[in-house]
Amino acid sequence: EDKVVQSPLSLVVHEGDTVTLNCSYEVTNFRSLLWYKQEKKAPTFLFMLTSSGIEKKSGRLSSILDKKELFSILNITATQTGDSAVYLCAGYSGTYKYIFGTGTRLKVLA
Amino acid sequence: GAVVSQHPSRVICKSGTSVKIECRSLDFQATTMFWYRQFPKQSLMLMATSNEGSKATYEQGVEKDKFLINHASLTLSTLTVTSAHPEDSSFYICSASRQGARYGYTFGSGTRLTVV
Repeated sequence: EDKVVQSPLSLVVHEGDTVTLNCSYEVTNFRSLLWYKQEKKAPTFLFMLTSSGIEKKSGRLSSILDKKELFSILNITATQTGDSAVYLCAGYSGTYKYIFGTGTRLKVLA
Repeated sequence: GAVVSQHPSRVICKSGTSVKIECRSLDFQATTMFWYRQFPKQSLMLMATSNEGSKATYEQGVEKDKFLINHASLTLSTLTVTSAHPEDSSFYICSASRQGARYGYTFGSGTRLTVV
């Protein structure tokens, strides 16, 4: 059965800290892994990862995929209060399915 | 716990026909369900919010007569794409939230609609 597991479920840090969010997956005919940031109702796209070992970066955020160990991490450096959100990862399969994790709720304190 | 089942996972239909997509919460009561449209490498675009037993709230720019949403029970919401056109081809994803849920939303696996 396809599943995506994220850890930790929640995290509270102070501004300036660095955080690492984890996502492990078991997805049939895996094609890609996606990261989203959800602050309100609709998740905002962050990254799509298809190749192992290639880091993607966007400002203070970066992510990498390990297709051998079936996991991905999302790093946020120098966190700010605006980073507070739920971070979702989703595996996309060749059977046209997105399998979402439950998300990691990050709270950044000033 | 907190599983949302979405069917079908893929559908191909002819232009002008209607397609119904179901979103079910399997082990919890979903007081609110959300419908999104997903484009490749893009954010999920919220189309509408549906609450059980009441009319759906549509986001600006979403045609309510074209995208019919029904949330007749606490475990089922449906999205019907009426008179589908090729430009409606997309991924449609639902999510559900339950009252008192600490961690928010549970997402369905999506439906890939192709209109030919």
